[in-house]
Amino acid sequence: GAGVSQSPSNKVTEKGKDVELRCDPISGHTALYWYRQSLGQGLEFLIYFQGNSAPDKSGLPSDRFSAERTGGSVSTLTIQRTQQEDSAVYLCASSLVIGELFFGEGSRLTVL
Amino acid sequence: AQSVTQLDSQVPVFEEAPVELRCNYSSSVSVYLFWYVQYPNQGLQLLLKYLSGSTLVESINGFEAEFNKSQTSFHLRKPSVHISDTAEYFCAVSDQLGFQKLVFGTGTRLLVSP
Repeated sequence: GAGVSQSPSNKVTEKGKDVELRCDPISGHTALYWYRQSLGQGLEFLIYFQGNSAPDKSGLPSDRFSAERTGGSVSTLTIQRTQQEDSAVYLCASSLVIGELFFGEGSRLTVL
Repeated sequence: AQSVTQLDSQVPVFEEAPVELRCNYSSSVSVYLFWYVQYPNQGLQLLLKYLSGSTLVESINGFEAEFNKSQTSFHLRKPSVHISDTAEYFCAVSDQLGFQKLVFGTGTRLLVSP
């Protein structure tokens, strides 16, 4: 499809397990973002990739969170040793024009 | 670093009434400003944007927002709302130093009732 694709759409895991969330951006989009959406918290910026530049990781909440973007395309967000407070919807977006982000449907993570 | 404040978490209005959703930002540099909308059970989508030029920008469905530099605001308005405007609205800011991260506010839920 032509949009941003995220997988899995839903993930239920046990506390302490590692999870990987995948994002396929729109082809040709140079910028890729990860956000986290929790009830009452709005959209929390996590990490931003722009072309071949070093990513802006300033939003990652702890060193349990990491992300990579391979070949300037697909991105994976990894959460190690998940905690209950990590439960949220993780949104990926890609962009070619300043501020015009195209969002995926999100990956809903539930940590039991 | 930039930040965005949306003071109203929820705004209830009747159909055909006017509405204003408030957004204030904080930044030490010149900014770009955006409003995104999230309809129930849908993903976020861009509603309108201010990059430069005219301080009043409009969307295709009747919303408008005005960039006010002195008040550091970018309030969203519509003179007459429809039931279908019920959604969550997010204000966002990006500084003008090239491609930079987009920082969002906490959102305002607009509830339109008949």
